Amino acid sequence: DAKTTQPTSMDCAEGRAANLPCNHSTISGNEYVYWYRQIHSQGPQYIIHGLKNNETNEMASLIITEDRKSSTLILPHATLRDTAVYYCIVRVATSGTYKYIFGTGTRLKVLA
Amino acid sequence: EAGVVQSPRYKIIEKKQPVAFWCNPISGHNTLYWYRQNLGQGPELLIRYENEEAVDDSQLPKDRFSAERLKGVDSTLKIQPAELGDSAVYLCASSSSGVSAEAFFGQGTRLTVV
Repeated sequence: DAKTTQPTSMDCAEGRAANLPCNHSTISGNEYVYWYRQIHSQGPQYIIHGLKNNETNEMASLIITEDRKSSTLILPHATLRDTAVYYCIVRVATSGTYKYIFGTGTRLKVLA
Repeated sequence: EAGVVQSPRYKIIEKKQPVAFWCNPISGHNTLYWYRQNLGQGPELLIRYENEEAVDDSQLPKDRFSAERLKGVDSTLKIQPAELGDSAVYLCASSSSGVSAEAFFGQGTRLTVV
């Protein structure tokens, strides 16, 4: 079962910041939080990941709370092309490797 | 650098027929994943390989599904015989073994069983 819960859907105005929340209250100390997005008819696309510290790359920022029980993905200036389903994933270590267990994600709609 | 390559992109078959999907992971990636995604749902892990060894196949319906990863590179996923409920998108992903590595996904194969 997925270790994360996300809102089913969100809207965001074009040009504004999109803040996507995720709860992962059962996360373990060495488990990373990953974010992916999936645009219709494409495979999931990696966005960003983090363990404890906040992270930023060219696509987004990831804010992880100090207790690591929740995080927020921030798209600083949302465009219409950011309309997609966003998945927050806790990567689980097992059998010497890792697995990514997806939930149902947040469907983000960016409005013109 | 090429990403994860899957083929075919689309496949339509009649029920009870066999079908196979092929995946070429990113070069050097030890871990390979097969996922199934039903309409409106998140991807569901079917099987996970570390090199040529299947380290997690607990979610693979073994009565009709099989997979292999010969030489620890390319992989094939087979369904025989296919059922109507197998209609879905089948996704392949790969990652390196680094502790902070990310998985990269292919475009998927959309299977329709009629």
